Amino acid sequence: QVQLQESGPRLVKPSETLSLTCTVSGGSIRSHYWSWIRQPPGKGLEWIGSFDYSGSTIYNPSLKSRVTISADTSKNQFSLSVRSVTAADTSMYYCARDFYEGGYYYAMDVWGQGTTVTVSS
Amino acid sequence: DIVMTQTPLSLSVTPGQPASISCKSSQSLLHSDGKTYLYWYLQRPGQSPQLLIYEVSNRFSGVSDRFSGSGSGTDFTLKISRVEAEDVGVYYCMQGIHLLYTFGQGTKLEIK
Repeated sequence: QVQLQESGPRLVKPSETLSLTCTVSGGSIRSHYWSWIRQPPGKGLEWIGSFDYSGSTIYNPSLKSRVTISADTSKNQFSLSVRSVTAADTSMYYCARDFYEGGYYYAMDVWGQGTTVTVSS
Repeated sequence: DIVMTQTPLSLSVTPGQPASISCKSSQSLLHSDGKTYLYWYLQRPGQSPQLLIYEVSNRFSGVSDRFSGSGSGTDFTLKISRVEAEDVGVYYCMQGIHLLYTFGQGTKLEIK
């Protein structure tokens, strides 16, 4: 059974870079699409971006200029970087998997438990 | 961007009664491959979201048959035939055409 676990600093200073890692167990990141999603406190879900092992990445146009998603296949991990953060980037950050099988596309069928990141000096 | 609009934003339902949530998209979600990439998720209090329905009307593994999804084009509905206490949480629709995902604002379901 595939499991995802987010990790990274819980506190980031304004104007700095937020960096998170999603560690995948029970499956390989060499297949499927993998995504980052965030949720500000008390608010709804916002998709940040997705990638697949072939190197194809897709980003939310509203965040594209500040976001990079990359993968470390040797560790079966993928990462998120958000540059020049402000208080508006304070959120719970989730990683998730997309799964394609049998002609069906299961978007975000597995989620990590999430990690809270606060942007503050 | 495709905008997803859910109604209502909150719902209070007596156990055993039905519930219905509407989700409208600003553009058709029918892909050129003939599929419609509309999904429903439930986020229970303090938990990560979980997939309930994929591609409009297909229940994900382990999801109760009390949940059903329907719709086409730009108009979609999630129905719960008989609400139970475990159904409490926030329901989100999400579109995934061209993998540029956008979520609805969420609908909070409470039990009366």
